Amino acid sequence: DVKVTQSSRYLVKRTGEKVFLECVQDMDHENMFWYRQDPGLGLRLIYFSYDVKMKEKGDIPEGYSVSREKKERFSLILESASTNQTSMYLCAVEGNTEAFFGQGTRLTVV
Amino acid sequence: DQQVKQNSPSLSVQEGRISILNCDYTNSMFDYFLWYKKYPAEGPTFLISISSIKDKNEDGRFTVFLNKSAKHLSLHIVPSQPGDSAVYFCAAATQGAQKLVFGQGTRLTINP
Repeated sequence: DVKVTQSSRYLVKRTGEKVFLECVQDMDHENMFWYRQDPGLGLRLIYFSYDVKMKEKGDIPEGYSVSREKKERFSLILESASTNQTSMYLCAVEGNTEAFFGQGTRLTVV
Repeated sequence: DQQVKQNSPSLSVQEGRISILNCDYTNSMFDYFLWYKKYPAEGPTFLISISSIKDKNEDGRFTVFLNKSAKHLSLHIVPSQPGDSAVYFCAAATQGAQKLVFGQGTRLTINP
């Protein structure tokens, strides 16, 4: 299985701060994804990337950006954190018919 | 447009009984379906999958049924155990597509 590592399990940031969430995979998969999970809303796709320096908007990209400078690393950036971005953030590496998730980052914006 | 729907946000089942989680989809191009299980403060983990060429796939206590004509799949867990308490997500994919489409999740609680 692919190992997907997210840099932080828990983060607390202040409103207006720039926040970086890092995700690293240990295989050579092209496809990497960032989701957020909120109660009752399931997994919502923020951004994804098919290759280095490529990015595609998901369903809820507003307030976020991403960076993929190396194949194994996919970063999610909150340009100016807001309280409505308090959530569980999940990075995933997806093949054609499966997905491997990181352990998640619980972000609280105060 | 929610292509994959889990209409029950929560389900409570007695230990030892059968748990049935349901999932409906609208896109007839989906041909591969997966179930993921998620504990609090952890990432989802793969549970079981089924291809559209089959209507049933079984793995131990877990069985997934696919009804293509109804665009419906279900996950059966029997017997249910306390460790099964988690949020379950169904997901769908089209062969050759690059991403999965997830449902909203169902929180399963197994009562002792």
